[in-house]
Amino acid sequence: DAGITQSPRHKVTETGTPVTLRCHQTENHRYMYWYRQDPGHGLRLIHYSYGVKDTDKGEVSDGYSVSRSKTEDFLLTLESATSSQTSVYFCAIRGTSPGELFFGEGSRLTVL
Amino acid sequence: AQRVTQPEKLLSVFKGAPVELKCNYSYSGSPELFWYVQYSRQRLQLLLRHISRESIKGFTADLNKGETSFHLKKPFAQEEDSAMYYCALQPEFSGGYNKLIFGAGTRLAVHP
Repeated sequence: DAGITQSPRHKVTETGTPVTLRCHQTENHRYMYWYRQDPGHGLRLIHYSYGVKDTDKGEVSDGYSVSRSKTEDFLLTLESATSSQTSVYFCAIRGTSPGELFFGEGSRLTVL
Repeated sequence: AQRVTQPEKLLSVFKGAPVELKCNYSYSGSPELFWYVQYSRQRLQLLLRHISRESIKGFTADLNKGETSFHLKKPFAQEEDSAMYYCALQPEFSGGYNKLIFGAGTRLAVHP
């Protein structure tokens, strides 16, 4: 499973509260990604990182921030959660082949 | 705009029947195309890539640049093929970032 773990795996929170999801990898990979998965939309890239302290926005980055202070950890933060951010969040690391991503198990977030 | 379209949300077939999961893309250059699969209670994983021209678990996919399609086919479906399938595109000048654009996904249900 490519040594990727996400935490928490499930979280229920209220609108307006901050939420942080953690992705931890043991593979020492440089590239890490956060996607959200929604019915009818598939997976959409939120943010990605290409090294410690090097991050960039994906196609749906509004309302999200990320941090990468160590190679092994990539944090996704919702500063003030909204109901539209109810989703399943997937972390991924880049594989060795073009287009290859290894995914975590996902974190299901419900914002009430 | 870069886009991946999977027109079918659900494809339901009987065991032994042929399967074709449709994928169309919108991209002006020469993209790389991939199929990812998510089996029940398993992580999303790469199934195959067009550049390898490979057959994985009996599945093949041919890139048709004229029709901008990358349909996934299998001549005889098995019950264990039941899963969620995502078509994904990587633009040609991604700089190695593997920033994939995913379609909405098609759920394949193979009945006994």
